Amino acid sequence: EVQLVESGGGLVQPGRSLRLSCAASGVTFDHYGMHWVRQAPGKGLEWVSGISWNSGTIGYADSVKGRFTISRDNAKNSLYLQMNSLRAEDTALYYCAASSSWYGALDIWGQGTMVTVSS
Amino acid sequence: QSVLTQPPSASGTPGQRVTISCSGSSSNIGSNTVNWYQQLPGTAPKLLIYSNNQWPSGVPDRFSGSKSGTSASLAISGLQSEDEADYYCAAWDDSLNGRVFGGGTKLTVL
Repeated sequence: EVQLVESGGGLVQPGRSLRLSCAASGVTFDHYGMHWVRQAPGKGLEWVSGISWNSGTIGYADSVKGRFTISRDNAKNSLYLQMNSLRAEDTALYYCAASSSWYGALDIWGQGTMVTVSS
Repeated sequence: QSVLTQPPSASGTPGQRVTISCSGSSSNIGSNTVNWYQQLPGTAPKLLIYSNNQWPSGVPDRFSGSKSGTSASLAISGLQSEDEADYYCAAWDDSLNGRVFGGGTKLTVL
């Protein structure tokens, strides 16, 4: 069964850091571009960041550029998101998603991990 | 304010056909393919339509997508109660160099 499982979310104070992880199973991980998409409570979807299969191409939304860093470890079938200088507006459910091509659709989604930024 | 514009809500009765629009610009829909996602209440999004009008495995052909110029639409025929969900369009944006989503449309089956 194809599965993406996110972890690492929680409650964090503004200005602090958090690292999210996404573990993939049932899929040839290094055949996929990987992405983080977030959804603030009661709001729509927002693409946060993406990384190509070999980490050769990386992109960020303007809202997180310079604060968030995406990375992957194909040997561990894992995706990461290092989030620094967190703000209240970063509060959201963070989904990990896989795409079979860099510009293509997000074929596979995880269930999400909640990040709450509050003092 | 989302880059792609969708109506916030839509509704229909069982068996009816409904359409959801998605409006963009030359840098996104006008030059790239459109994908649609369905998010049932309390669950993660699921790919519904890719490359404007293609079905992933397991998606019924009651759902169909189309694109013309800088706009796209999702049509749902033979509406069923289980279609009640939020629907999002998405595309790559060449100017922003990133993926963009519509604000989502909440579909209610009356």
